[in-house]
Amino acid sequence: QKEVEQNSGPLSVPEGAIASLNCTYSDRGSQSFFWYRQYSGKSPELIMFIYSNGDKEDGRFTAQLNKASQYVSLLIRDSQPSDSATYLCAVNSNSSASKIIFGSGTRLSIRP
Amino acid sequence: DVKVTQSSRYLVKRTGEKVFLECVQDMDHENMFWYRQDPGLGLRLIYFSYDVKMKEKGDIPEGYSVSREKKERFSLILESASTNQTSMYLCASRRGGTTYEQYFGPGTRLTVT
Repeated sequence: QKEVEQNSGPLSVPEGAIASLNCTYSDRGSQSFFWYRQYSGKSPELIMFIYSNGDKEDGRFTAQLNKASQYVSLLIRDSQPSDSATYLCAVNSNSSASKIIFGSGTRLSIRP
Repeated sequence: DVKVTQSSRYLVKRTGEKVFLECVQDMDHENMFWYRQDPGLGLRLIYFSYDVKMKEKGDIPEGYSVSREKKERFSLILESASTNQTSMYLCASRRGGTTYEQYFGPGTRLTVT
């Protein structure tokens, strides 16, 4: 079992709709959860982080965390073509305080 | 603003050459990382460093070595480049502790011919 799992996609969503990206993780002791966006040919950039169970909203983005189910998600409201990218879920490593473990990413495509 | 810079955006080297990729961060971060990213394989950790002169192997260290002589600088070395090391190389840095995010450099696309 991978430490951080994501559906690779592609996930195709019409413009203006809500895009829902999901991630599961294996280590119950994980405390910090991150979402990165990566455009083709570019490096990942942080868009959200969440530490506590529940929802965290930032503009059109909402991160949701359920530690009991070991599940974290990212919702993008009013999806725009500029949201088309690969979204990487990342979780802090309990075995090493230095490391973050990345999922392999979900490719999101917003169709006009 | 955290800044992570990498010495080259694009690099072309020949098989057997020794290749140095340099990374510098300006936020006094304890941790620095080197990844490679290939289509369909995601980010794969090559090496990381949690302090000056300290390093740990990541998931795919074979064929690579690293050097961290100063806190702000982390170098990746390909001792004898091979065509299967053609890839996008990403450097990242992160403050120590479980809650801090990681910042990436712009990447170096290395082609080995």
